[in-house]
Amino acid sequence: QKEVEQNSGPLSVPEGAIASLNCTYSDRVSQSFFWYRQYSGKSPELIMSIYSNGDKEDGRFTAQLNKASQYVSLLIRDSQPSDSATYLCAVRGGAQKLVFGQGTRLTINP
Amino acid sequence: DTGVSQDPRHKITKRGQNVTFRCDPISEHNRLYWYRQTLGQGPEFLTYFQNEAQLEKSRLLSDRFSAERPKGSFSTLEIQRTEQGDSAMYLCASSFRPTEAFFGQGTRLTVV
Repeated sequence: QKEVEQNSGPLSVPEGAIASLNCTYSDRVSQSFFWYRQYSGKSPELIMSIYSNGDKEDGRFTAQLNKASQYVSLLIRDSQPSDSATYLCAVRGGAQKLVFGQGTRLTINP
Repeated sequence: DTGVSQDPRHKITKRGQNVTFRCDPISEHNRLYWYRQTLGQGPEFLTYFQNEAQLEKSRLLSDRFSAERPKGSFSTLEIQRTEQGDSAMYLCASSFRPTEAFFGQGTRLTVV
């Protein structure tokens, strides 16, 4: 079992709709959770961090964390073509290193 | 520019040659990470420093790879006797304590 798992996609969403990205993790002592956006050929860019159960909203982005289910999600409201990218889920566990999933490729269709 | 800086941005080398990459973290960040990323995959952890101490090194890192962070400032990653399988994007990230980590632009290595 991989430490951090994401559906690789591609996930195709119409412009203006809500994009929902999911991630599960295996290390129960994980404390910190992050979502990064990566455009093709570029390095990952941090867009959200979440540390406690529940929802955290920042503009059009909402991160959701459920530690009991070991599940993190990212919602993107009012999706724009510029949101088309690969979204990486990252988890920091007891070992302090950040472990990444393989990423979900998201395409927003105009 | 106060972000994480990596040098060079691109490197083409012949198989068997040694290469060295440099990473300058954000100035107040005491933690520095190296990752490797190949096409279609997420970043793969290589090693991690807290100040000048190398606290963890991936089992994936063969003895051809070595990293240093003298004086807890910039870091270097050296690959000796490069192989074609070493071709990848090498990413450096830094953070202040166990909080958000920010990435540099990466160094793209091509081994021919």
